[in-house]
Amino acid sequence: GNSVTQMEGPVTLSEEAFLTINCTYTATGYPSLFWYVQYPGEGLQLLLKATKADDKGSNKGFEATYRKETTSFHLEKGSVQVSDSAVYFCALSPVSGGYNKLIFGAGTRLAVHP
Amino acid sequence: SAVISQKPSRDICQRGTSLTIQCQVDSQVTMMFWYRQQPGQSLTLIATANQGSEATYESGFVIDKFPISRPNLTFSTLTVSNMSPEDSSIYLCSVRPLGQNTEAFFGQGTRLTVV
Repeated sequence: GNSVTQMEGPVTLSEEAFLTINCTYTATGYPSLFWYVQYPGEGLQLLLKATKADDKGSNKGFEATYRKETTSFHLEKGSVQVSDSAVYFCALSPVSGGYNKLIFGAGTRLAVHP
Repeated sequence: SAVISQKPSRDICQRGTSLTIQCQVDSQVTMMFWYRQQPGQSLTLIATANQGSEATYESGFVIDKFPISRPNLTFSTLTVSNMSPEDSSIYLCSVRPLGQNTEAFFGQGTRLTVV
């Protein structure tokens, strides 16, 4: 079946540190891949996405590359800010079996300290 | 894009009672989705609500426990029935245009505590 596995949190970093949050997936074919972010007290919002192999999604300094060979979609940012503190969810949209559903990873909480 | 208003934003309920959560979207959408986010965990899809037909429930969720209404293309309700402390979660409404690559939009969620 389809599934998403994320690294466990919380991840605690100092401001301006480099961030990596690992995400791997299991799916048939070429699913679309997403990163969503949930700031405290808010709903989820799309951070970035990639729809085919080797695509790179980017937004607000965050990047993730769709790696078919390793079935991964790791989230990176070169220099984090306190305002990046949030929970980050990796998600996939499967090719078949109800493609309008999204399947989410467990979420990774990021805390950035000044 | 879509703006979703969900209410109540939070509630504390007695076990054995029911709570109805409302979700209003600022545009017409075909499908609306209801998710549960248990404390410290990810989102789990409860059901997909289509206008004019019965909701489609995911494995582990049943209509008697989570009845859903979808009276029109901009509104849906989810009821959590006969609540127990295990139902304490955040419940999220979501919409997503048809297509594998489309963005999903979420309400702010309803934080439910059952005592």
